[in-house]
Amino acid sequence: AQSVAQPEDQVNVAEGNPLTVKCTYSVSGNPYLFWYVQYPNRGLQFLLKYITGDNLVKGSYGFEAEFNKSQTSFHLKKPSALVSDSALYFCAVRDDTGRRALTFGSGTRLQVQP
Amino acid sequence: GAVVSQHPSWVICKSGTSVKIECRSLDFQATTMFWYRQFPKQSLMLMATSNEGSKATYEQGVEKDKFLINHASLTLSTLTVTSAHPEDSSFYICSARRADRNYGYTFGSGTRLTVV
Repeated sequence: AQSVAQPEDQVNVAEGNPLTVKCTYSVSGNPYLFWYVQYPNRGLQFLLKYITGDNLVKGSYGFEAEFNKSQTSFHLKKPSALVSDSALYFCAVRDDTGRRALTFGSGTRLQVQP
Repeated sequence: GAVVSQHPSWVICKSGTSVKIECRSLDFQATTMFWYRQFPKQSLMLMATSNEGSKATYEQGVEKDKFLINHASLTLSTLTVTSAHPEDSSFYICSARRADRNYGYTFGSGTRLTVV
């Protein structure tokens, strides 16, 4: 079965500094990987996905993620953090069974300090 | 872009009553809809998968008689929490998988259910 690990419960970064939110995955077959952001009492907003192709994926709001097959990682990055980026971030992998649901990591809270 | 409308956004109900949550895909057809549950400060846990016109597939540990899912059309799925109890209080989120675009998943805005 597939799984996703987000090792950091919280990441703190100063505004203007680069940020990284870590994610590693385990799945049989080709990985289909996603990043979502959640604001309080809201659903999930799509940031980016990796299906195939370039290992560096660019997404919404200036975010990007780097797919590393050998390390089974898909870390989320942004060159310059904004206070408004403060939110809960989820990494997800599409499951390798027929239902094709997403399996989510535990989430990482990003706190950007002004 | 793809939009999924979920309502109500919040609901308070008394123990023993039933609550229906609707999830509609507004501008696309959803072959599959997923229902998730999220406890405070926790991740999303898949409850069930529903395909239009067929019975939902429930995850292990999810009571299908308590959480009734109906997916009557390609744009509407409903989750009914029957005989709700305080332990059912949670944040419920639906997700629709598009029929016309690979790998696209769109999420509703969620429903905060409080059972008193």
